[in-house]
Amino acid sequence: ETGVTQSPTHLIKTRGQQVTLRCSSQSGHNTVSWYQQALGQGPQFIFQYYREEENGRGNFPPRFSGLQFPNYSSELNVNALELDDSALYLCASSFSGRVEDTQYFGPGTRLTVL
Amino acid sequence: AQTVTQSQPEMSVQEAETVTLSCTYDTSESDYYLFWYKQPPSRQMILVIRQEAYKQQNATENRFSVNFQKAAKSFSLKISDSQLGDAAMYFCAYRTTGANSKLTFGKGITLSVRP
Repeated sequence: ETGVTQSPTHLIKTRGQQVTLRCSSQSGHNTVSWYQQALGQGPQFIFQYYREEENGRGNFPPRFSGLQFPNYSSELNVNALELDDSALYLCASSFSGRVEDTQYFGPGTRLTVL
Repeated sequence: AQTVTQSQPEMSVQEAETVTLSCTYDTSESDYYLFWYKQPPSRQMILVIRQEAYKQQNATENRFSVNFQKAAKSFSLKISDSQLGDAAMYFCAYRTTGANSKLTFGKGITLSVRP
């Protein structure tokens, strides 16, 4: 069974740029959730994708957007980067539709905005 | 809105001893899930233990067990026979039972293990 993978591991961007982060879900999973974790804080929910559609969104502006592909992998896109976007971005996959739908996390992408 | 509170920012335990990490939460739901996740310096968030609110029996996973007090909205994690590899940040998290529900996390607690 393949676990959740994310790429890249680290990324450095400058303010105003755009970034795309990628996530491959665990085999057998159909739902992907994205979280932002600021230094020393708990993760904050950004949004979730199920069957290629956004299915729930946290308190993040529209410049945070995403996609889910037919193979259930996902992308997180952030436009017009701000310094406060510097954080660890975590992707979690799960299987929606059964009682046991625990979210399993990838290793994260560390984004630094200068 | 649901909230999760971890009021202890740091804790320390001697190797082989027992430590308890505290968590409280607030919800108006009657059925939900609670989790403890571990995040070592490698950053990977690892599931430690899960508790369904409708189950009165406390969950256990090897050296890890919880004390779930539904009326008090308390969910503490007990780590027995602490090992050096237990050193990490620990997060308490809440999720409703609805399909595709998000996780709400506490701020976390940093656990150090003294050899």
